[in-house]
Amino acid sequence: AQSVTQLGSHVSVSEGALVLLRCNYSSSVPPYLFWYVQYPNQGLQLLLKYTSAATLVKGINGFEAEFKKSETSFHLTKPSAHMSDAAEYFCAVSDPGGSARQLTFGSGTQLTVLP
Amino acid sequence: SAVISQKPSRDICQRGTSLTIQCQVDSQVTMMFWYRQQPGQSLTLIATANQGSEATYESGFVIDKFPISRPNLTFSTLTVSNMSPEDSSIYLCSVVRVGNTEAFFGQGTRLTVV
Repeated sequence: AQSVTQLGSHVSVSEGALVLLRCNYSSSVPPYLFWYVQYPNQGLQLLLKYTSAATLVKGINGFEAEFKKSETSFHLTKPSAHMSDAAEYFCAVSDPGGSARQLTFGSGTQLTVLP
Repeated sequence: SAVISQKPSRDICQRGTSLTIQCQVDSQVTMMFWYRQQPGQSLTLIATANQGSEATYESGFVIDKFPISRPNLTFSTLTVSNMSPEDSSIYLCSVVRVGNTEAFFGQGTRLTVV
């Protein structure tokens, strides 16, 4: 069974500082990995995805993530935080071997950006 | 991406009643899913909506409580039956398009049961 662990339910950074949101996965096969963002009272928006191509993945809004198989990690980073980045971020995993794209989500990390 | 219309966006319902949530996609998709997000929690998969056949439910979710229909490739409904305050959550529709690897989400339905 797959699982996703997001370390830190709340992360605060100053505007302009580095954003680092941590995600570790557990999967019996190399998975597909995703980061989604949820703004208040909104649905989920896909930030980026890893699907066994390049290990460094660039997404929207200046975010990127690196797949590290040896560490079973897929941490999300952004060099310089902006106030508009304040939101909840979810890491998710799916099994590429299956026919479906059911996602298993982490518990989420609430990002606060301080002025 | 896919344009997903989910209705209603929010509702307040009396306990013991039922609410049907609709999910309409702008193009044909292979997979449609329903998720629940309880207050302050992450998302949990309720079921996979299968076109023309019974939905596939995850552990802890049953058809009598969450009946699902998917009459065609672009439309699905989720009904929350005999509601109790514990059903207060955000319910989200998710779709995967042909040949794609990522899932797209509707805006969600915020349900409050009083």
